[in-house]
Amino acid sequence: DIQMTQSPSSLSASVGDRVTITCRASQTISSYLSWYQQKPGKAPKLLIYGASSLQSGVPSRFSGSESGTDFTLTINSLQPEDFATYYCQQSYSIPYTFGQGTKLEIK
Amino acid sequence: EVQLVESGGGLVQPGGSLRLSCAASGFTFSSSEMNWVRQAPGKGLEWISYISGSDNTIYYADSVKGRFTISRDNAKNSLFLQMNSLRAEDTAVYYCARGVVTLDYWGRGTLVTVSS
Repeated sequence: DIQMTQSPSSLSASVGDRVTITCRASQTISSYLSWYQQKPGKAPKLLIYGASSLQSGVPSRFSGSESGTDFTLTINSLQPEDFATYYCQQSYSIPYTFGQGTKLEIK
Repeated sequence: EVQLVESGGGLVQPGGSLRLSCAASGFTFSSSEMNWVRQAPGKGLEWISYISGSDNTIYYADSVKGRFTISRDNAKNSLFLQMNSLRAEDTAVYYCARGVVTLDYWGRGTLVTVSS
């Protein structure tokens, strides 16, 4: 199975900050990487697919990038509604696997 | 508007069975790949099963293989998960989600609790 190692596991930031979350795959996954946002008691919401493509309706302050097996989610100018847990997920091979999540909290 | 609505969760004893349903609307269900993903209380997301639109291709995570069965009824726009031999570690919120390369729409989930 492909392991997805996400870091950090938690992060404190302020409104207006720029934050970066990283996900490392244990082997090549090409660009088969998605990012999701989950708020308490809610279903995950797709933010980024194909490592860097913004899902329709998602604000442009969210962006994704890749470098080899390292993937990054960047949120520019944090807004109050961005405080949530973020997950990466590979769909290169079965079983699809998720990172362990990054909880973004208000400082 | 795409909608996925799960149902069928509840409290079940270890070793018991439960059948989850996911009612789909707002898109062409018959040509859409579907998945089940679960989340144990306070934990992360775990993909558990996939089914192609035509029903010809099915995959399972090792954690549920041989115990869970995914199926669909394209005439009723419905996805199912038959869960047998349930264990305490199967306690989770179960989500249905559309997609193959990415999971672009998710239901709100249904809670399954396995406990005596």
